[in-house]
Amino acid sequence: EVQLVQSGAEVKKPGESLKISCKGSGFSSVNYWIAWVRQLPGRDLEWMGIVYLGDSDTTYSPSFEGQVTISADKSISTAYLQWGSLKASDSAMYYCARSPGYRSGSHDYWGQGTLVTVSS
Amino acid sequence: DIQLTQSPPSLSASVGDRVTITCRASQGISNNLIWFQLKPGKAPKSLIYAASSLQSGVPSKFSGSGFGTDFTLTISSLEPEDFATYYCQQHNSYPLTFGGGTKVEI
Repeated sequence: EVQLVQSGAEVKKPGESLKISCKGSGFSSVNYWIAWVRQLPGRDLEWMGIVYLGDSDTTYSPSFEGQVTISADKSISTAYLQWGSLKASDSAMYYCARSPGYRSGSHDYWGQGTLVTVSS
Repeated sequence: DIQLTQSPPSLSASVGDRVTITCRASQGISNNLIWFQLKPGKAPKSLIYAASSLQSGVPSKFSGSGFGTDFTLTISSLEPEDFATYYCQQHNSYPLTFGGGTKVEI
């Protein structure tokens, strides 16, 4: 069974750093993309960027370029989303989603979400 | 960026009802559109890919149609587990973008 399991909820202070993860299981190929999606309180969803598990090729949304770092470790089928200095406005639910190598962005499986709360 | 306009934002329906949700793209996106379901506290679940193909394991009560700029998701007969929020998302070009969601309520 394909699963994307995300790391647990985080509570951080403004200015702190954070790295959350998304570990894939149930598939052996690295021929997949992993995207990160932000959901702010309410309903709006925003695509942050995407990384190819095979070679860590990464594309960022212009809205998030320079604000976060997306990376991957193909040896453990895991993608990461990282902040160097958190802001209160980064408080949100973050989802990862998998798509096949030949159809980037056509997500077939999703993680359960990681809730990030940034508060002083 | 490609804008996706979903309608309605919310709807009330009953078990057994047929429900149709629409998604309009601001420019042509071929069939590069997926639909997925989101419930609080659960992982999103992809339903439809390539605008009209059913994801593996998804019941046939869900169907999608459309090409270019206009797309629809239909649930043929609502069941209690279908009350959720539904989103469309395009992957024709970066940045990927999402519709605003349709909340299906009892």
